[in-house]
Amino acid sequence: GAVVSQHPSWVICKSGTSVKIECRSLDFQATTMFWYRQFPKQSLMLMATSNEGSKATYEQGVEKDKFLINHASLTLSTLTVTSAHPEDSSFYICSARVPPRQPQHFGDGTRLSIL
Amino acid sequence: QKEVEQDPGPLSVPEGAIVSLNCTYSNSAFQYFMWYRQYSRKGPELLMYTYSSGNKEDGRFTAQVDKSSKYISLFIRDSQPSDSATYLCAMSVRGQNFVFGPGTRLSVLP
Repeated sequence: GAVVSQHPSWVICKSGTSVKIECRSLDFQATTMFWYRQFPKQSLMLMATSNEGSKATYEQGVEKDKFLINHASLTLSTLTVTSAHPEDSSFYICSARVPPRQPQHFGDGTRLSIL
Repeated sequence: QKEVEQDPGPLSVPEGAIVSLNCTYSNSAFQYFMWYRQYSRKGPELLMYTYSSGNKEDGRFTAQVDKSSKYISLFIRDSQPSDSATYLCAMSVRGQNFVFGPGTRLSVLP
């Protein structure tokens, strides 16, 4: 149980394009999903917390207009990297939680490479 | 002082060894403690989830929490090369405000 699917697993695109990453909870309903960024050999960096039906809460230093988050249903959250540039290249990972007081379950991540 | 501290390693052990991974923390309000395993270019996978002090065992894995010392451990018995990964500790207050350790890279040599 508690499977989180993330798509795509790897995307390469040109600078200036927008990229959408999907995060789905397959066998449970997730009122809260989280988006992380991870640089090589570094730990997870929380970008935002996404609650179904409301606006996402962004961590300090994360640009809301750059990283658009939509949590339209209890099983789907999307992260759109708008006008991506090479410095946005990273490993993005989503997670979902079944409340209350339950641990996070992670997707397999999306490797984003901006040329 | 960081909220959660974890030795980044790398830690190399021979196959069959007992591995001890540790985290210390500063926030006494943490109640829930987790260990995740992350293979290269994959998302973290939940290994153990414990509440409050004590031990919890699952197969070759034992999680230990000592709230009085603000110290948690993960023991891996009979380690295998497939256990080679980065291990992240995580903790939360009432299931909110998760904090992750930086991770320990483990290599189990055949």
